[in-house]
Amino acid sequence: NAGVTQTPKFQVLKTGQSMTLQCAQDMNHNSMYWYRQDPGMGLRLIYYSASEGTTDKGEVPNGYNVSRLNKREFSLRLESAAPSQTSVYFCASSEARLAGGNEQFFGPGTRLTVL
Amino acid sequence: QKEVEQNSGPLSVPEGAIASLNCTYSDRVSQSFFWYRQYSGKSPELIMSIYSNGDKEDGRFTAQLNKASQYVSLLIRDSQPSDSATYLCAGDSGNTPLVFGKGTRLSVIA
Repeated sequence: NAGVTQTPKFQVLKTGQSMTLQCAQDMNHNSMYWYRQDPGMGLRLIYYSASEGTTDKGEVPNGYNVSRLNKREFSLRLESAAPSQTSVYFCASSEARLAGGNEQFFGPGTRLTVL
Repeated sequence: QKEVEQNSGPLSVPEGAIASLNCTYSDRVSQSFFWYRQYSGKSPELIMSIYSNGDKEDGRFTAQLNKASQYVSLLIRDSQPSDSATYLCAGDSGNTPLVFGKGTRLSVIA
């Protein structure tokens, strides 16, 4: 099993350009998440999808959109990139059991630089 | 109070010593807890889960949960330079995404 995969690994954009970050998991998990991580800020949740067909905003959703394409795939789109969106982006997934044990598993990350 | 709090460190310990990492949490995230290890430039990796009061041991790692005092800790015995990383504590409320602390940077000195 590959676990959680993300593409691309690195990306450089100019201000105002758009792009989509792709994420896929092969663990049959119900829930998927997008985080950004900046130095000294920890992991910040952008959007999440508790189950196929649903998405919800996290702590820092502005400037981003998401699509839960199917149970396996969850994409993150930047419509008009800004330098403030320079960050490392992580996708994660979890089984989302109501009784707890909702450990998340992370992909390798995408390093995005916006000039 | 933030929901999950950790001392940012760095915590420096000599090789072979016990490293003790601590995390406090609010009422909302009190169901279960997870410890992640993150090497520089890499993604977080789950190393321990704990769901009930007491200790849970896995190799050189021991997670401790004290719900009365609202803290969870991770002990690393016989610390090695390869344990040098940032350790993230995360709490689970059961119906929302995990809440992560900002992490504690551990440095094991050879």
